[in-house]
Amino acid sequence: GENVEQHPSTLSVQEGDSAVIKCTYSDSASNYFPWYKQELGKRPQLIIDIRSNVGEKKDQRIAVTLNKTAKHFSLHITETQPEDSAVYFCAAGSGGSNYKLTFGKGTLLTVNP
Amino acid sequence: SAVISQKPSRDICQRGTSLTIQCQVDSQVTMMFWYRQQPGQSLTLIATANQGSEATYESGFVIDKFPISRPNLTFSTLTVSNMSPEDSSIYLCSVDRAGGGETQYFGPGTRLLVL
Repeated sequence: GENVEQHPSTLSVQEGDSAVIKCTYSDSASNYFPWYKQELGKRPQLIIDIRSNVGEKKDQRIAVTLNKTAKHFSLHITETQPEDSAVYFCAAGSGGSNYKLTFGKGTLLTVNP
Repeated sequence: SAVISQKPSRDICQRGTSLTIQCQVDSQVTMMFWYRQQPGQSLTLIATANQGSEATYESGFVIDKFPISRPNLTFSTLTVSNMSPEDSSIYLCSVDRAGGGETQYFGPGTRLLVL
């Protein structure tokens, strides 16, 4: 089955700096790659996603890049703010009629004011 | 995105008992999923709840321990049976986007503590 590796497990940045979280996946059939943000005690919230026919997608301060050949994708957050502090999960999805997501282990991002 | 609710939001249970968690969506969805998230850990898929057929379980999860119902396109239940302290976790349901597709949206979760 699919295996998703996520790095780093923790990341601390100063407010205004950029943050980058990287994920690799093993199943070349995976074609959908969402990113979720989970604040303490809250549900995971989808923040951005990318499909395999696209190399990059941007939404304001957040961007995701995908390299299908190398089987890795990354989340980029620019101009970080304290409210960006949370756990971020990447995931990879595939399966057609048996569709499901496999999640990475998560990255705890701390943005210091 | 759909509005998803779960009941109960939290519970404390004695070992050996069972708890049924409900997941309700405000619109019809094709796929409903059940996840477990242990403290400080990632999300692990338990099973996919299929309307009109048996749930599809992931490796390490069995129907006798986690029976699932999906009576219609807006509702599902997950039962945690014969509980032990190792079942203490957050249980989350998720649904796909109305109209289908890969995107999943999560319910608020049920926080379970087994004593």
